[in-house]
Formats: sequence, C-alpha cells, structure tokens
Amino acid sequence: DAKTTQPTSMDCAEGRAANLPCNHSTISGNEYVYWYRQIHSQGPQYIIHGLKNNETNEMASLIITEDRKSSTLILPHATLRDTAVYYCIAAVEGAQKLVFGQGTRLTINP
Amino acid sequence: GAVVSQHPSRVICKSGTSVKIECRSLDFQATTMFWYRQFPKQSLMLMATSNEGSKATYEQGVEKDKFLINHASLTLSTLTVTSAHPEDSSFYICSAVQVVNSPLHFGNGTRLTVT
Repeated sequence: DAKTTQPTSMDCAEGRAANLPCNHSTISGNEYVYWYRQIHSQGPQYIIHGLKNNETNEMASLIITEDRKSSTLILPHATLRDTAVYYCIAAVEGAQKLVFGQGTRLTINP
Repeated sequence: GAVVSQHPSRVICKSGTSVKIECRSLDFQATTMFWYRQFPKQSLMLMATSNEGSKATYEQGVEKDKFLINHASLTLSTLTVTSAHPEDSSFYICSAVQVVNSPLHFGNGTRLTVT
C-alpha cells in the first residue's frame, strides 16, 4: 500500500470548514484513498473513500487532485464532536488489511 | 448503526491470568476478521487475521501462542491474551468487512489493563 503523509495536528473553529490534507505521491493506479477517524477511546470510523473523482457523503467531501498525488478531506461545518484523529490510507478497493499511519489530530475549538 | 461489536469494552486483570475478547459481526457473516492493537498515543497496528474455520495469520512479531485467536463461527472471533503481563495493556480493536469491496468496519475496542 502507498504511504501517506499528513500533518500531525490541526485546529479549526467550530462551525467552520475543516480541510485536512493528505499526500500520497506514490499511490498506485488501483489504490483508493480512504479516510477514517478515531474519536478518543473508540474504534476507527469510516468516513469516505474515492479513486479519482471527488466524492461527497453525509459526513464529508473528498477532493482528489488530478494527478492523484494528494487529497483533501473537507468537513463542511465542523462541530466539537468532530475532534478526533483522522487517518488517510491508500489501499486497493476492498482491502481488508489497512496500514494506519499517525494521522492528523484535529481539534475543533468553540 | 454499529456493524461490529466487541465485548467487553474494558477489562482489568491480574498479571499471569488470561483474558478473552469477543468480536461479533452483527447481521452479516464475516469469514475474515482482523485484530489490531493500539498503545497510548500510537496508531493502530495489525496483529492478526482471523479466518473462519482455519488458523489465524499473525503479523511479524506477534506471538501466536500468546494471542490465541479462534474464529469458530461466521459471526464471532475471539482473541485470548494468555498469561497477560502489564506490557500487554493496550487497546484491542477488531474489524470486519460487511460486503465485498466495502470499507472495513471496526468495533469500539477493548481497553485491557493488566495489573
């Protein structure tokens, strides 16, 4: 699986959009970009994934650059409950063995 | 709602005893489940792949005789930490896939504390 690089931590004000970047310059053509988050003392929660087109669901939007070397997860209106560690993972679709990096610790401030 | 359930959520045991953690897939069959471990302020590390009806596959560095995995049914995998020591204190998390090519779903984890 391709390695991903994320900032260690980020802060965002409540109600604003939180934009979390991820670099995956060595991603393979058949690897998707997956985003999970882990709220303190809970298991990871799936957020969204995509291959090359931008994706949106009820939780977030995923913007993938045309060269697929980077992507951004967007939480449109962050709430305090969005405070968590966010993991960006590159893996083939249906991959069952995910390799987690250190992720980005996102803190939403009131 | 949750599709993978773990039990217990927290357990404290004495050094030298064994602890069993259950991972259940809710309303779906999982021929394969995965066990992760997470130490404080660290990321998740895959420990082993649990295969229904056959032996588990362990990642490098994980002692198979210490972390016994049983996947006796299509909805239940168990992880038994044998002869637990304080250094085994960690957050243990299981995962499973509900539908082929769908994202992994994770349980809410089990916090093990060995005193």
